[in-house]
Amino acid sequence: DIVLTQSPDSLSVSLGERATITCKSSQSLLYRSVPKKYLAWYQQKPGQPPKLLISWASMPESGVPARFTGSGSGTDFTLTINDLQAEDVAVYFCHQYLNTPWTFGQGTRVELK
Amino acid sequence: QVRLVQSGAEVKRPGASMKVSCETSGYSFTDHYVHWVRQAPGHGLEWLGWINPFNGDRSFSQRFQGRLAMTADAATTTAYFQLAGLRFDDTATYFCAISKGVGFLEYQLMTHWGQGTRVSVSS
Repeated sequence: DIVLTQSPDSLSVSLGERATITCKSSQSLLYRSVPKKYLAWYQQKPGQPPKLLISWASMPESGVPARFTGSGSGTDFTLTINDLQAEDVAVYFCHQYLNTPWTFGQGTRVELK
Repeated sequence: QVRLVQSGAEVKRPGASMKVSCETSGYSFTDHYVHWVRQAPGHGLEWLGWINPFNGDRSFSQRFQGRLAMTADAATTTAYFQLAGLRFDDTATYFCAISKGVGFLEYQLMTHWGQGTRVSVSS
C-alpha cells in the first residue's frame, strides 16, 4: 500500500499568516502516461464530511478560495494556505488515488494561534 | 442541488452485519461513481471502495475481501454498503460520496459527501 505521511500533525497559525502542510508519499504518484500526479487535498471541519479542495496535486476545485494552493513533485507535496482565515480551522488530509487501496495521510490539524 | 442522505446510526454486535444506505438526488445517478470511506473515532480516513452505478463495476480495498459488498439501485437512486463479520475495530463513521464524473480523470475525485453514518460495534 502507498503510505502518505503528513507533517506536521498539528499547526498553530495566526490570522493572516501562512500555513504550510507537507505530504510525503512512499512512492511516486506521477502517472507518466497521462501525465498527472494522483494526489488530492481534503479539508474536514468538526462534525462535517471532508471537502475536496485540490486535485491532481495543484488544481483547485471550483469555489475554493485562491489562498489555498497545492504543489509538488512525484513524492513530495505541499498544501499552502495563505492569509489564514478563521474559517480555515480544520483538519487537512492528503489522498492518493493512483493505486488501490487508495490511501489518506493521517491528517494535519490547523488551529489559530 | 446534489444531496446524499445516509441512513441512521447503528449499534451492532461482533460478528453481525451492517448495511448503510445512501439516498441520492439532484443529479444523474448513473453519471457518477459512488465511493465509500470510513473514519474511526479520532482517526483518519480509510477508503473502502467505489461502485459505478451505470454498469456495476466495483473496486474495493482488499483488506475487506469477502466481507464487503456495494450495490447501487438506479430505480431508487440509492447506493448501499454492507460489511459482514463486524469487529470492534469496524466502529467508525461511514461516508458515501460521489465522484466528479465517470471520466478517466473524474471518477477518482469525491466532490459531494453524505452526512456520515456512525456504526458502533459493541458487545
